[in-house]
Amino acid sequence: QLQLQESGPGLVKSSETLSLTCTVSGGSISSSSYYWGWIRQPPGKGLEWIGSIDYSGTTYYNPSLKSRVTISVDTSKKQFSLRLSSVTAADTAVYYCARPVEYSGSYVYWGQGTLVTVSS
Amino acid sequence: DIQMTQSPSTLSASVGDRVTITCRASQGINNWLAWYQLKPGKAPKLLIYKASSLQSGVPSRFSGSGSGTEFTLTIGSLQPDDFATYYCQQYNSFGYTFGQGTKLEIK
Repeated sequence: QLQLQESGPGLVKSSETLSLTCTVSGGSISSSSYYWGWIRQPPGKGLEWIGSIDYSGTTYYNPSLKSRVTISVDTSKKQFSLRLSSVTAADTAVYYCARPVEYSGSYVYWGQGTLVTVSS
Repeated sequence: DIQMTQSPSTLSASVGDRVTITCRASQGINNWLAWYQLKPGKAPKLLIYKASSLQSGVPSRFSGSGSGTEFTLTIGSLQPDDFATYYCQQYNSFGYTFGQGTKLEIK
């Protein structure tokens, strides 16, 4: 059974960079069948897609976040990572990593989510 | 960006009721639409993909339909475990977007 686990600081200071890593277990990260994704949910708000990456490092980002987001992959460690720069309180959210159904963008496997709070 | 408009934002219903949630896309999405169930403290659960395909392990009381720009999620007979928040998501092209959510409450 594929499992994903987010890790990283739960508290980030305003204007600094948020960094999270997703570790994949129970399956391969190196498949051309899907793009690994990052999604977030601010408290009391809806879901927001942040971006996606495949095993080769091809990325797609949410246009509203593109100037601040970098997603990378390390296949040797079976990890992919998120960096979000110049954070503000609006970036406080539960951050999820996820994998979609093959050849799809519908996310079937999710990490448990990690709350990141941006403090002033 | 493709905008997804979900309605209603809140829905009150009773166990055994049949309920429908609607999601409208700002442009055609070729049926690349998913529905998720969210509960507090848990990861989202995929219910439906490709507009009408039931994800493995999801009860058959959940069904999806629609095409073009208008889609619906129907729960055939509400069970206590179904009271949650539901989101649609389009994945027609990168720049994926979600609806704003529908909170299903017990009447």
